[in-house]
Amino acid sequence: QQQVKQSPQSLIVQKGGIPIINCAYENTAFDYFPWYQQFPGKGPALLIAIRPDVSEKKEGRFTISFNKSAKQFSLHIMDSQPGDSATYFCAASRSYNQGGKLIFGQGTELSVKP
Amino acid sequence: DTGVSQDPRHKITKRGQNVTFRCDPISEHNRLYWYRQTLGQGPEFLTYFQNEAQLEKSRLLSDRFSAERPKGSFSTLEIQRTEQGDSAMYLCASTSSGDSIQYFGAGTRLSVL
Repeated sequence: QQQVKQSPQSLIVQKGGIPIINCAYENTAFDYFPWYQQFPGKGPALLIAIRPDVSEKKEGRFTISFNKSAKQFSLHIMDSQPGDSATYFCAASRSYNQGGKLIFGQGTELSVKP
Repeated sequence: DTGVSQDPRHKITKRGQNVTFRCDPISEHNRLYWYRQTLGQGPEFLTYFQNEAQLEKSRLLSDRFSAERPKGSFSTLEIQRTEQGDSAMYLCASTSSGDSIQYFGAGTRLSVL
C-alpha cells in the first residue's frame, strides 16, 4: 500500500515532442504528489507538485494531470528539449504532520533527441 | 550557496570499515530526511528528524546504521561494518515547518569494495 508505480522505465522522444510519464498509487492517505528531475551525479530537484483537490497543474512547460478516483497522476512535458534529458521520479507523501516522508516511483529515463 | 550540503560527495571504503556522512540542511529548516538510492531506482526513505528528535526509522535502517542531529542543525549518518550491499547514493533533504516541499542535496556516493 506504500508503493508508487511508475511507467515507462525509459522514453525516447524527438525535440518538440510531448513525453508523458505515468504513476499510480494505492494509499489514499497520500495528499502530496511531487515530480522530481535528476541529472547524473546530482540530487533530485523538484519540478512541480500537486495536491488531490485539483485535477491539473501547469508550470511553464510541465503539467501534472491528477485522477483521484483512479489513483493515478501523470507528467506531461510540452515542447521537450534535449536539455530535458534526465531521470524523472514521481513521489507521494502523507501530510507534514504525519511525517511527510516521500515514497518514490522507480524512475523514468527520458532522452530527447535533437 | 544556501542549499542542502552533503559531505563527502564520494566515499570509497573497504568492507568492514565504518563511514560517516554529513548533511547540512537549508538554514532554519527544522526537518531533515535521509534517503538511499541504488542504481536505477528511486530514493528510499531511511529516517527523519524534527529538530534534534529522530521521529521515524525505516526497517532499511539496520543496527549497523545510526543517524544523529545533535543540535537540530546538521546531521550525520554512520554505517558501521560496511557491506557491499551498502553501496548506494545517500541523499539528504530538508524542509521548513509545515511545508511538504523537500529540498535535496547532491548526495554522498558510497562504494564498498
